[in-house]
Amino acid sequence: KAGVTQTPRYLIKTRGQQVTLSCSPISGHRSVSWYQQTPGQGLQFLFEYFSETQRNKGNFPGRFSGRQFSNSRSEMNVSTLELGDSALYLCASSGGPPLRNFSYNEQFFGPGTRLTVL
Amino acid sequence: GIQVEQSPPDLILQEGANSTLRCNFSDSVNNLQWFHQNPWGQLINLFYIPSGTKQNGRLSATTVATERYSLLYISSSQTTDSGVYFCAVTFSGGGADGLTFGKGTHLIIQP
Repeated sequence: KAGVTQTPRYLIKTRGQQVTLSCSPISGHRSVSWYQQTPGQGLQFLFEYFSETQRNKGNFPGRFSGRQFSNSRSEMNVSTLELGDSALYLCASSGGPPLRNFSYNEQFFGPGTRLTVL
Repeated sequence: GIQVEQSPPDLILQEGANSTLRCNFSDSVNNLQWFHQNPWGQLINLFYIPSGTKQNGRLSATTVATERYSLLYISSSQTTDSGVYFCAVTFSGGGADGLTFGKGTHLIIQP
């Protein structure tokens, strides 16, 4: 099976612009999560989508948004970019829906998109 | 607050040495994974181990859920084992909030 793919791999934007990142999960996986990694804050959860619905959201401002399509591919959007948004954005997919007790299946990560905001 | 703590933060070893990385978590977990982040940033899955013991070649992991810790063992280290190792969990209580990561252990294996 092909792994999780993310496009683009590198991106340079200026403050105030907006950006859209794309993630294609492993074939058959239905859950997609997004994470931000910065040197100062480490790896932080952004949001998780299942069946085109956002199920969970981390502690990020409303400038960060996402969506999932019927083929499980997902996009995340950051509007009005700030310098602090420079980060590695990682997408993860897992095989099934969160279970009743909120446990997750094993998550598999893509190679990431490295965003630089100037 | 809910926390994942990894130790040691940095570890420098000679090739061939063995190492033990520790992950402590502050609450009950449903999911625990160990990752190795390669120099290009990709997180490579090592173990999915919410409880019990698993082995894969030179690597093995043990999670004692009742005592809220997990250990990753690397035997006969090679220079290619260098990198950052992350422990990540999903907590049982409340809603599902995605994986919570520790700050990682930066491992350097010298030839």
